[in-house]
Amino acid sequence: SNSVKQTGQITVSEGASVTMNCTYTSTGYPTLFWYVEYPSKPLQLLQRETMENSKNFGGGNIKDKNSPIVKYSVQVSDSAVYYCLLVCGTDKLIFGTGTRLQVFP
Amino acid sequence: DAGITQSPRHKVTETGTPVTLRCHQTENHRYMYWYRQDPGHGLRLIHYSYGVKDTDKGEVSDGYSVSRSKTEDFLLTLESATSSQTSVYFCAIGRRTSDRNEQFFGPGTRLTVL
Repeated sequence: SNSVKQTGQITVSEGASVTMNCTYTSTGYPTLFWYVEYPSKPLQLLQRETMENSKNFGGGNIKDKNSPIVKYSVQVSDSAVYYCLLVCGTDKLIFGTGTRLQVFP
Repeated sequence: DAGITQSPRHKVTETGTPVTLRCHQTENHRYMYWYRQDPGHGLRLIHYSYGVKDTDKGEVSDGYSVSRSKTEDFLLTLESATSSQTSVYFCAIGRRTSDRNEQFFGPGTRLTVL
């Protein structure tokens, strides 16, 4: 079966680097998307990861079923909830529960 | 801006009343989706549509129905609202290629069922 897991919350100080994991179980070759939700704003697409460009994606290899997103030198304005979306085949969509990133000055 | 609007943006209703949420797109995309977002659950797919009059259930479809009579509108109906349906509802459109599905979301509708 297909599933997606994300860390619930990460709290850091400004200037830190943050790795947010997306650990998934999938049959076949999925596409992975990262979305960000800032307070009071709709979801926004951050980036997508496919099998073909996995080598260019810092930190993870989609074949290993973990595809993290890395943010360097985070700012307070990066505080948001980051969602991982797994798309399997043509229509099976699975969202993770999101990672809440809190950045303090 | 993918040209997606939702209406109403906020609604308070009573248990047992019918509620219809509307999603409207201006870009003529074939795929449209309805999600609900709840603390601890993230986004969950309710129903989706892959064309006019073509719809299918998502993982949390019980208590919801949808209709797509024209490309630009995707309606979500709660036939008899319950308090457990208090949530934020997001509509999305899907831009599809041969093997990719990129989604863009509307601004959301906050529904409170008393």
